[in-house]
Amino acid sequence: QSALTQPASVSGSPGQSITISCTGTSSDVGSYNLVSWYQQYPGKAPKLMIYEGSKRPSGVSNRFSGSKSGNTASLTISGLQAEDEADYYCCSYASSGTWVFGGGTKLTVL
Amino acid sequence: EVQLVESGGGLVQPGGSLRLSCSASGFTFSSYVMHWVRQAPGKGLEFVSAITFNGGPTYYADSVKGRFTISRDNSKKTLYLQMSSLRTEDTAVYYCVKDLSGSYSFDCWGQGTLVTVSS
Repeated sequence: QSALTQPASVSGSPGQSITISCTGTSSDVGSYNLVSWYQQYPGKAPKLMIYEGSKRPSGVSNRFSGSKSGNTASLTISGLQAEDEADYYCCSYASSGTWVFGGGTKLTVL
Repeated sequence: EVQLVESGGGLVQPGGSLRLSCSASGFTFSSYVMHWVRQAPGKGLEFVSAITFNGGPTYYADSVKGRFTISRDNSKKTLYLQMSSLRTEDTAVYYCVKDLSGSYSFDCWGQGTLVTVSS
């Protein structure tokens, strides 16, 4: 159950778009369309932003979108806003009732 | 409104035991798979354990298998995590998490309870 690989940090200016990658293996990301993404502010609980690869829960801005190609999933945030500055984690179902998270990416809005 | 409130965290010595509880409200607790996810200080998220609707099959990360036991009492709308043989690397905030039914994702999180394993 090795962690999924995410960049440690990404940055962008307000109004721009950024993409966070999440690389797994054929045993997790590549096997299932069950990648989810979470936003976490310091000292707060995570919040679900994307599930099943590209679906948004009710109330999540359509500026957030998800996709997958092979063993790599991606989260794109368009029209970057100051409030988007947070940590982002990807997660994939990994069979046998277990899940694996990425190491997290710190997004800085310049 | 869905609410998940964890309790039972604290300071424990290596090798010791602790039981976490999570009180649920605002949804039909018995209809959902429930999870524990932890986060070590300054680190990322880590799946710990999951339990099905009626407490049937349970699942564990390799890092806690054989030491932690997840359980639930649907009549009390409460989720538990019994932790034993605790190690310093188990130090973390432990979150109680509700499953987004059928989607293999986590849609509601508690505020977390801190477990510190130290001598």
